[in-house]
Amino acid sequence: DQQVKQNSPSLSVQEGRISILNCDYTNSMFDYFLWYKKYPAEGPTFLISISSIKDKNEDGRFTVFLNKSAKHLSLHIVPSQPGDSAVYFCAASGSTGNQFYFGTGTSLTVIP
Amino acid sequence: EPEVTQTPSHQVTQMGQEVILRCVPISNHLYFYWYRQILGQKVEFLVSFYNNEISEKSEIFDDQFSVERPDGSNFTLKIRSTKLEDSAMYFCASTLGIYRTNQPQHFGDGTRLSIL
Repeated sequence: DQQVKQNSPSLSVQEGRISILNCDYTNSMFDYFLWYKKYPAEGPTFLISISSIKDKNEDGRFTVFLNKSAKHLSLHIVPSQPGDSAVYFCAASGSTGNQFYFGTGTSLTVIP
Repeated sequence: EPEVTQTPSHQVTQMGQEVILRCVPISNHLYFYWYRQILGQKVEFLVSFYNNEISEKSEIFDDQFSVERPDGSNFTLKIRSTKLEDSAMYFCASTLGIYRTNQPQHFGDGTRLSIL
């Protein structure tokens, strides 16, 4: 039962360009969404979040967009840097509980 | 910046043996979690723990699993009789907020559990 889906397992982007990572969810009860970044041999690191009362949240180079009607969120990284190369996980939680549901991740490679 | 720490980083255990994975959450955090990630798969929720009791658990968290906060700092996950399919990365996480406040979870670097 995959309630959070990241359909692109990998993405390659040239340094300086925009990276767009996508995430879809199925559970309309989700009201809090997060992006995590993960390097090999490390745990997920929190990047940015958004609650369902907003449709955009920005933090420096990172912006998360939420389209509730489409049950879709995206993470924009601009400009992309080689250090951004990592696996990015989308996660969601809802009013039914406190656990987070994770997507399968998208591996981003930023090419210098 | 405070961190969630997990030990050991890698645990190798014979099938059928008991294993205890240890975590030290961030000191002022109130909610504690265990997740696992089987190689190549998504991060899966196991259990959440608040006020010295389990608040939620997934269907993965069966009778073979237990959690404990034996003192003021450690949070442990015990697997009583390990199976081959328990091989995975196990992540501990903690959250500052009380139930249903929107707070990100902070993760440790994980324990790789290998069952032989």
